[in-house]
Amino acid sequence: NAGVTQTPKFRILKIGQSMTLQCTQDMNHNYMYWYRQDPGMGLKLIYYSVGAGITDKGEVPNGYNVSRSTTEDFPLRLELAAPSQTSVYFCASSYELAGALGTDTQYFGPGTRLTVL
Amino acid sequence: EDQVTQSPEALRLQEGESSSLNCSYTVSGLRGLFWYRQDPGKGPEFLFTLYSAGEEKEKERLKATLTKKESFLHITAPKPEDSATYLCAVQSLYSGAGSYQLTFGKGTKLSVIP
Repeated sequence: NAGVTQTPKFRILKIGQSMTLQCTQDMNHNYMYWYRQDPGMGLKLIYYSVGAGITDKGEVPNGYNVSRSTTEDFPLRLELAAPSQTSVYFCASSYELAGALGTDTQYFGPGTRLTVL
Repeated sequence: EDQVTQSPEALRLQEGESSSLNCSYTVSGLRGLFWYRQDPGKGPEFLFTLYSAGEEKEKERLKATLTKKESFLHITAPKPEDSATYLCAVQSLYSGAGSYQLTFGKGTKLSVIP
């Protein structure tokens, strides 16, 4: 299993540009998540999904959109990039949200480092 | 609001010098406390989940413990390859908006010197 994969690894955007961060998991997990990690700060949840077609906002959703058309994929869309969105973005997945012991473990991808200039 | 505070922010140890990292938390009801390891430029790697006070888990040189207010990650005889940032996160028990979300601390950066 490849686990959770993310593309691209790095990206530089100009203010106002748009882009989609891709995330794919091959563990047949129901739940998927997008986090951002700013220097010296804890990870913050942007959006999460409990299954295909179902998404919900996390702590910091403004400026982002998501969709979940398949179990495997959970892309994150930035519509009008702003310098405040400069960060490292991590996608994660888990089998359950808060289920039996061990099945709620979130597994993370390698991240996408985004700079908005 | 759930809060997680990790201390110290950074820790330098000599190889073989045992120590502990602290994770203090405030949560309305704790469902689980998670420890992750993060290497530079990589995503967090799962280490442990603790669900109830008094619980302990071990993996190689690492041992995680949990009380009602904090968790410790004990590192016994560390090696240079244990150098990483260690993240703590809590998951609340109660349902509602944003239920079951993980709240992360800022991490402790551990450096083990040969």
